[in-house]
Amino acid sequence: GAVVSQHPSWVICKSGTSVKIECRSLDFQATTMFWYRQFPKQSLMLMATSNEGSKATYEQGVEKDKFLINHASLTLSTLTVTSAHPEDSSFYICSAQLTRGGQPQHFGDGTRLSIL
Amino acid sequence: GENVEQHPSTLSVQEGDSAVIKCTYSDSASNYFPWYKQELGKRPQLIIDIRSNVGEKKDQRIAVTLNKTAKHFSLHITETQPEDSAVYFCASEAGSARQLTFGSGTQLTVLP
Repeated sequence: GAVVSQHPSWVICKSGTSVKIECRSLDFQATTMFWYRQFPKQSLMLMATSNEGSKATYEQGVEKDKFLINHASLTLSTLTVTSAHPEDSSFYICSAQLTRGGQPQHFGDGTRLSIL
Repeated sequence: GENVEQHPSTLSVQEGDSAVIKCTYSDSASNYFPWYKQELGKRPQLIIDIRSNVGEKKDQRIAVTLNKTAKHFSLHITETQPEDSAVYFCASEAGSARQLTFGSGTQLTVLP
């Protein structure tokens, strides 16, 4: 149980392109989903917290107009990297949590984004 | 905000030996502490977690201890195997937003 699916797993695109990443909880309804960014050999850095039906809460330093998050249902959250540039290249991982707080976060497989 | 420090950053052990990874946290309101294992290019996988009302938890070869007074918690892996080689992250959940703050990670290498 507690499977989280993330697509796509790899994206290579030109600078200026917008990229959408999907995160789905397959066998449970996720009250909260989280989006992380991970650079090589570094830890996971929280970008934003997404709650179904409400606006995402972004961490300090994360541009909300750059990283658009939509959480339209209890099983789907999307992250759109708008007008991506080479510095946006990274490993993006989502996680989902059944209920808020004190429960494990279940992670997707991640999306490796490479901007040329 | 919460600050989680993790040590060591790298750890090499012989197969069969034990491995210990330590973390400290700053927010006394933190009450949930998961440990994740991440293999290269893959998702973090929960291996064990502990809540603040418990001092120790064990699952086969893996155990976690928590000292709330000192604000530190540790991961213990006994009888290590080569497949235990990975990066291990500790995390702490605190704050009204119930977010996880991750440690910097420990690269564990189990030598055959």
